[in-house]
Amino acid sequence: NAGVTQTPKFQVLKTGQSMTLQCAQDMNHNSMYWYRQDPGMGLRLIYYSASEGTTDKGEVPNGYNVSRLNKREFSLRLESAAPSQTSVYFCASSEESATQYFGPGTRLTVL
Amino acid sequence: AQSVTQLGSHVSVSEGALVLLRCNYSSSVPPYLFWYVQYPNQGLQLLLKYTSAATLVKGINGFEAEFKKSETSFHLTKPSAHMSDAAEYFCAVMNYGGSQGNLIFGKGTKLSVKP
Repeated sequence: NAGVTQTPKFQVLKTGQSMTLQCAQDMNHNSMYWYRQDPGMGLRLIYYSASEGTTDKGEVPNGYNVSRLNKREFSLRLESAAPSQTSVYFCASSEESATQYFGPGTRLTVL
Repeated sequence: AQSVTQLGSHVSVSEGALVLLRCNYSSSVPPYLFWYVQYPNQGLQLLLKYTSAATLVKGINGFEAEFKKSETSFHLTKPSAHMSDAAEYFCAVMNYGGSQGNLIFGKGTKLSVKP
């Protein structure tokens, strides 16, 4: 089992560029999540998907969009990147018992 | 609404000493509580979780945490620190306000272990 995988691992963008962060899980979980991690802030939820075909906003959704492509995949899109979106992004998925399993993260720098 | 407070953004202990990382929570319903560990440049890994069974929860790597309802606390302990325990630790509570399974995280405590 690969668990939760994320691509890319690192990315540098210029202000205004767009990109999509990819996430996939092979644990047959219904729920998937996108978080951002900033120093001293812990993890903050951007968007989540309780099941295939549904998505909901989390604490900090502005500037992001998501797509739950199928049960395995949940992508995060930045349409017009801003320096404030420089962060480490984590994808996670969860089972019915609520334990969340995290991917290795994507380090994004917006210049 | 649920919330989590971790006291101390940095904790430093000597190898072999007791590790105590503090977490207090706020929840209007019986909480599910979690401790995660993050090693440098890695994702988060579950250490242990409390889901209303035994109040003393044992996790991986010799860590344990005790749920104390009267104190709204879920502190993480390990009797004897090892150099490999150096990492950042996050306490989290399940958020019942949104979709089942959302977690609200504390801001984290970075643990340093001195030789």
